[in-house]
Amino acid sequence: GESVGLHLPTLSVQEGDNSIINCAYSNSASDYFIWYKQESGKGPQFIIDIRSNMDKRQGQRVTVLLNKTVKHLSLQIAATQPGDSAVYFCADRKPGGSNYKLTFGKGTLLTVNP
Amino acid sequence: GAVVSQHPSWVICKSGTSVKIECRSLDFQATTMFWYRQFPKQSLMLMATSNEGSKATYEQGVEKDKFLINHASLTLSTLTVTSAHPEDSSFYICSAPWNSQGGYTFGSGTRLTVV
Repeated sequence: GESVGLHLPTLSVQEGDNSIINCAYSNSASDYFIWYKQESGKGPQFIIDIRSNMDKRQGQRVTVLLNKTVKHLSLQIAATQPGDSAVYFCADRKPGGSNYKLTFGKGTLLTVNP
Repeated sequence: GAVVSQHPSWVICKSGTSVKIECRSLDFQATTMFWYRQFPKQSLMLMATSNEGSKATYEQGVEKDKFLINHASLTLSTLTVTSAHPEDSSFYICSAPWNSQGGYTFGSGTRLTVV
């Protein structure tokens, strides 16, 4: 991800709506992408991942879309719930296996209004 | 499975003192540990990568003499902030890859406040 800037983008949605969180990454060689959820004062929590040979992957209430042409990643959360309120980060990794470092995006603060 | 236990969860120390943060892999062997720093409302910034039995690799701009990393065993990596200053106050997080498919597990983080 592009880890620049001092201010978190924010997204505010109503409970039950769908949320779309976007992320741009800079390294065209990256082959593995992950979305994390981070609640205040806690470490990142894995949500869903996708490899560069795919353009879409679905999990429970979440879908990740990968557009390698424009180096863009999105996370869709269906039927957003108050418990989904957190900061969401994308991360990407260059080829080299799991011992290789992740680069985190700037994050998006999701607020779900009841 | 794949749990990294990080301690302490928070610590307050005086300027000039040193603080040690521990990360233990509880149910797997962590040959690699990544150490991140996160300032409020910002992303995770990688500080260094430690590998068991060898010297850590530090990212550009990170002072290796100030942030001492030890990874002497497959289940324990430590980060020591030496001669801490208020500007070192931050949230420190460790992470380890736990499978060949690319999974990473994160510690719960340590909130360091230097007064």
